Amino acid sequence: DIQMTQSPSSVSASVGDIVTITCRAGQGIADWLAWYQQKPGRAPKILIYRASRLQSGVPSRFSASGSGTDFTLTINSLRPDDFATYYCQQVHSFPFTFGPGTTLDFK
Amino acid sequence: EAQLVESGGTLVQPGGSLRLSCAVSGLTVSSYSMNWVRQAPGKGLEWVAYITSRSDLTYYAPSVRGRFTISKDDAKSSLHLQMNSLRDDDSAVYYCATSFGGSWPEGFDFWGRGTLVTVS
Repeated sequence: DIQMTQSPSSVSASVGDIVTITCRAGQGIADWLAWYQQKPGRAPKILIYRASRLQSGVPSRFSASGSGTDFTLTINSLRPDDFATYYCQQVHSFPFTFGPGTTLDFK
Repeated sequence: EAQLVESGGTLVQPGGSLRLSCAVSGLTVSSYSMNWVRQAPGKGLEWVAYITSRSDLTYYAPSVRGRFTISKDDAKSSLHLQMNSLRDDDSAVYYCATSFGGSWPEGFDFWGRGTLVTVS
């Protein structure tokens, strides 16, 4: 199984800040990575697929990059609606695995 | 817009069985591969099971393999998860989700709101 790690586990920021979250795969997964945003009591929402492709309807302040084992999600100019938990997920091979999540909260 | 609605979650005793359902509207289920993902209270996301659009292949997380069975009823636009030999650590909100992509899933785009399973 491919283990996914994320750092930091939590981050505090303010509206307008830039935040970067890192995801690392236990083995190479090429670009088979997705990023999700989840708010309390809600289902996850996909932001990014294939490591860097923005899902339709997702604001352009979200961007992502990476390949192989190391990936990043960057949120530019944070808005109040962005404070949530973010998960990466590898879809390279079964079992699909999620990272443990990064909680973004208000400073 | 697609809508997925899970049902069937309830309180069940350890060792018991439960069948979850996911009613799908707004998309043609026969054209989509689908998944179950769960989230224990206060914890992260865990992928549980996957079924291809043609229902010819299924895959499971090691933690549920041999106990859970995913199935899809294209005629009724529904997805199911039969859960047997339930354990305390199966307690979670269970989400159904569609996969998108070409020949291989690239991510999960449409999600239901989840149904709570409590094993106790």
